[in-house]
Amino acid sequence: SQQGEEDPQALSIQEGENATMNCSYKTSINNLQWYRQNSGRGLVHLILIRSNEREKHSGRLRVTLDTSKKSSSLLITASRAADTASYFCATDATNAGGTSYGKLTFGQGTILTVHP
Amino acid sequence: DAGITQSPRHKVTETGTPVTLRCHQTENHRYMYWYRQDPGHGLRLIHYSYGVKDTDKGEVSDGYSVSRSKTEDFLLTLESATSSQTSVYFCAISENRAASLHFGNGTRLTVT
Repeated sequence: SQQGEEDPQALSIQEGENATMNCSYKTSINNLQWYRQNSGRGLVHLILIRSNEREKHSGRLRVTLDTSKKSSSLLITASRAADTASYFCATDATNAGGTSYGKLTFGQGTILTVHP
Repeated sequence: DAGITQSPRHKVTETGTPVTLRCHQTENHRYMYWYRQDPGHGLRLIHYSYGVKDTDKGEVSDGYSVSRSKTEDFLLTLESATSSQTSVYFCAISENRAASLHFGNGTRLTVT
């Protein structure tokens, strides 16, 4: 079963606009990660946020994590046509004792299209 | 691509034949993973390895086996390929448990 569910499934915006993608998950986690995939390529790691962190920045990326709501969001500011890709969240779930299972579970992704 | 190579990049095979996909890394990372990617399902973990000769099952392991005899190589074998195993297969590596993954460019497998 899918641990992470991204929303929306597809997002179409103009260059310069901000893009926000959301991820919801079901169980306790050790960390949550966001990845990007260009067509025909492997996934590329963007950012990792730990369960005790609430916000993290990397360049034009901002990730938030709300463990009480079991949700995360990825914000890409001032989008560019080159940001067109699929974006995935992935979670490292933990057992009842808080120990990581040590393997990531991916959602189905959000397809982002940025029009020039 | 963080020194990770998948081979072959494309393969067409017939139902019932065995198929082996290879993942080779030059990063000396301990952890290696095989995922499959299908429309509507995202990426699903097939098998993973946490060291030489140490492997474990993921969520969709039926019909697949793996071997890791050297740190740098992780092989995925479809014992008797079926049409439901038509997919894009990705190998990934990581330095630490549950750390960020570095992915290969995938193998597109078609089972006719």
